[in-house]
Amino acid sequence: AQKITQTQPGMFVQEKEAVTLDCTYDTSDPSYGLFWYKQPSSGEMIFLIYQGSYDQQNATEGRYSLNFQKARKSANLVISASQLGDSAMYFCAMREGSSGTYKYIFGTGTRLKVLA
Amino acid sequence: NAGVTQTPKFQVLKTGQSMTLQCAQDMNHEYMSWYRQDPGMGLRLIHYSVGAGITDQGEVPNGYNVSRSTTEDFPLRLLSAAPSQTSVYFCASSYSPENTEAFFGQGTRLTVV
Repeated sequence: AQKITQTQPGMFVQEKEAVTLDCTYDTSDPSYGLFWYKQPSSGEMIFLIYQGSYDQQNATEGRYSLNFQKARKSANLVISASQLGDSAMYFCAMREGSSGTYKYIFGTGTRLKVLA
Repeated sequence: NAGVTQTPKFQVLKTGQSMTLQCAQDMNHEYMSWYRQDPGMGLRLIHYSVGAGITDQGEVPNGYNVSRSTTEDFPLRLLSAAPSQTSVYFCASSYSPENTEAFFGQGTRLTVV
């Protein structure tokens, strides 16, 4: 069964520093996608970055990069040059594709606080 | 530029009442889904649809019904509300279920007393 694990309930980072949010996953499906979403205190869910299981390169989107280690089944989010506006909940999610069910599952989230 | 619209934003129900949470998207997305978010549990998939006329169960479907008569709309029905259904509900859509980001509605905060 598919599973997403985020082991860091909360993280602190100093403004302008980089921070890594951990995500490990478990699946037997060879085809899957990994996603990161940000949820600010206002409650909306904002897509950040996507990594496909067959992608050779790590995904990057501006200050966000995904450190994809397939053998270790990890998909950590790296935020460079943290800003105060990065303070939010961050969710890792996975979608399996081969079975045709296309179910997304989410981790329990990491609350990031950026300190001035 | 509406995206995914959920209504209502807040709702209080009494135990045993029924209601429908509305979700509409104007992006011609095939894939739509409903999640509930509870403290410490992340988002859990309730039901999803890969196109009009096609729905399937997610991780926590009990107590909820869905239908997809049009591409745009994907309502979630609570048949007989229970306090355990107190949660924040999100509707999401994406162009296809594969490899594309999901767009989320603003959420509905439901309290069952």
